Amino acid sequence: DGGITQSPKYLFRKEGQNVTLSCEQNLNHDAMYWYRQDPGQGLRLIYYSQIVNDFQKGDIAEGYSVSREKKESFPLTVTSAQKNPTAFYLCASSRGLDSYNEQFFGPGTRLTVL
Amino acid sequence: AQSVSQHNHHVILSEAASLELGCNYSYGGTVNLFWYVQYPGQHLQLLLKYFSGDPLVKGIKGFEAEFIKSKFSFNLRKPSVQWSDTAEYFCAVNGAGANNLFFGTGTRLTVIP
Repeated sequence: DGGITQSPKYLFRKEGQNVTLSCEQNLNHDAMYWYRQDPGQGLRLIYYSQIVNDFQKGDIAEGYSVSREKKESFPLTVTSAQKNPTAFYLCASSRGLDSYNEQFFGPGTRLTVL
Repeated sequence: AQSVSQHNHHVILSEAASLELGCNYSYGGTVNLFWYVQYPGQHLQLLLKYFSGDPLVKGIKGFEAEFIKSKFSFNLRKPSVQWSDTAEYFCAVNGAGANNLFFGTGTRLTVIP
């Protein structure tokens, strides 16, 4: 089945630790995205990538980092600099960055920082 | 800056009732408009989209939405809801040619059997 996988589904970390969230897609999509979803705030864009080895900051990139070494993979690192990291994180992909391309979403990772 | 407003945070309906969820956006240029749905425990998925042409668009599962340019609105409608429509609904917009997709805060729909 083609789709986007995110792992793990639930993640717990102690305050001050960096943590990396996985996102893999087998849709052969060029563009990938990371969103953060908080109650009552909808989805907010953290980072996006159009092609391998290229990525751009979204609206709330501070305290996060990404890499795009492979087309299929777009891991997100939540660093200790992120002031409020507890949230639901969604990864998405699309054929390209063209605004007409539908974005497909993964199942999400719920991160809780203790 | 672009923004999307969904004024209904939680809507509760009985089965067979009609549904209309509001979505208003602020953007000065040409826009693309989307409604996404997130069923309990499932991925966020596209319900319908508008790029150009007929302002009344039909999506999956009997949903439709109407783009009213003069009102900067893209309201979602369904004539008769079912219990299985219980979900969270997100309106999203981007400017034609832009990279960012801006989401509203979402509306939680609960349908009572």
